[in-house]
Amino acid sequence: AQSVSQHNHHVILSEAASLELGCNYSYGGTVNLFWYVQYPGQHLQLLLKYFSGDPLVKGIKGFEAEFIKSKFSFNLRKPSVQWSDTAEYFCAVNVPGGFKTIFGAGTRLFVKA
Amino acid sequence: KAGVTQTPRYLIKTRGQQVTLSCSPISGHRSVSWYQQTPGQGLQFLFEYFSETQRNKGNFPGRFSGRQFSNSRSEMNVSTLELGDSALYLCASSPTSPSTDTQYFGPGTRLTVL
Repeated sequence: AQSVSQHNHHVILSEAASLELGCNYSYGGTVNLFWYVQYPGQHLQLLLKYFSGDPLVKGIKGFEAEFIKSKFSFNLRKPSVQWSDTAEYFCAVNVPGGFKTIFGAGTRLFVKA
Repeated sequence: KAGVTQTPRYLIKTRGQQVTLSCSPISGHRSVSWYQQTPGQGLQFLFEYFSETQRNKGNFPGRFSGRQFSNSRSEMNVSTLELGDSALYLCASSPTSPSTDTQYFGPGTRLTVL
């Protein structure tokens, strides 16, 4: 069965610090990978996604993620966080044609102004 | 374009009762997925519908069921409620498939079981 692990449940950073959130998945075949974000009081929304091609994917608000197939990882990064990045971040995976998205438990990020 | 809407937004029920939650997808979207969100567990996949057909389901007991109507609106039902069913239930829609399309999430229905 597919599963997604997010290593950090809570992260606290100061503004301008660099961010890296870990995500590993378990599935041996082809997968589609996603990062979703939930800002306080808002709906979950897509941050970025990877289907194929360049393993370095750029998303909204300066976020990027790198797919490393050999490590089954899809880590999220941002060079310099802002207070407005305070949110909960979810990594997700699905199998093409599987119609079932598996989410990680989420990482709560708090950025101190 | 209006977003995904879910009704009701809040529900309080007692153990043993049943509940029906509703989801209206974005106009033109035919795929609807349901998730249960609880603190520390993230989002757990319940089921996905497309053109009134369930294409996949998660590992939930048979008390959890759903359906989709011809206008793509979807409902989920939980019978014989248990305390552990207290959660935020999220609905997400996409044009044809959550595997390849961006999912757009609704605000959720907060269910509390007493």
